[in-house]
Amino acid sequence: NAGVMQNPRHLVRRRGQEARLRCSPMKGHSHVYWYRQLPEEGLKFMVYLQKENIIDESGMPKERFSAEFPKEGPSILRIQQVVRGDSAAYFCASSSARADTQYFGPGTRLTVL
Amino acid sequence: QQQVKQSPQSLIVQKGGISIINCAYENTAFDYFPWYQQFPGKGPALLIAIRPDVSEKKEGRFTISFNKSAKQFSLHIMDSQPGDSATYFCAAAQGGSEKLVFGKGTKLTVNP
Repeated sequence: NAGVMQNPRHLVRRRGQEARLRCSPMKGHSHVYWYRQLPEEGLKFMVYLQKENIIDESGMPKERFSAEFPKEGPSILRIQQVVRGDSAAYFCASSSARADTQYFGPGTRLTVL
Repeated sequence: QQQVKQSPQSLIVQKGGISIINCAYENTAFDYFPWYQQFPGKGPALLIAIRPDVSEKKEGRFTISFNKSAKQFSLHIMDSQPGDSATYFCAAAQGGSEKLVFGKGTKLTVNP
């Protein structure tokens, strides 16, 4: 029974490039959450999605960031025109129901050169 | 605005000792308080969680104490082991909300 899967685990991008982070929730889970962790900081909520719907994106930066969770396939967090300040660990979590226990993936560590 | 304040930032304990990590929150609407354990290079894993209708919850060597009037909650790790060395995060969420608000974390080191 695989847990939450994220790929890639490490991603290096140059300033101005695009970063795509993928998250496959646990089997049977249809709720996905994205969090960002800066060095020496706790996790900060970014966005909550259900299949084909963005439910809460109150933590997403207004520009350059977008997320989707299509009917088929993984959830994608997309960062356009990356800047050095985007360097962080991005974690995806999933749950079987809204406000239920969230199970986290291993994270994608993004480094922007 | 930091809604959940966690202390200490780091903690060193001898094997067999008690590790205590404290968190304080501001939003009185919070009603779900989980603790997560994170090892280097891994994602956070749920350790134990509590709701405000109880003042204490124990699971094995891990205990959460909750003080609603003081808006504080703490994690106690009894008989701490070197394998407990990790970063611990407290978090809080508002009823029905999926948005977890995390503290900044406590790096625990248990010396053998």
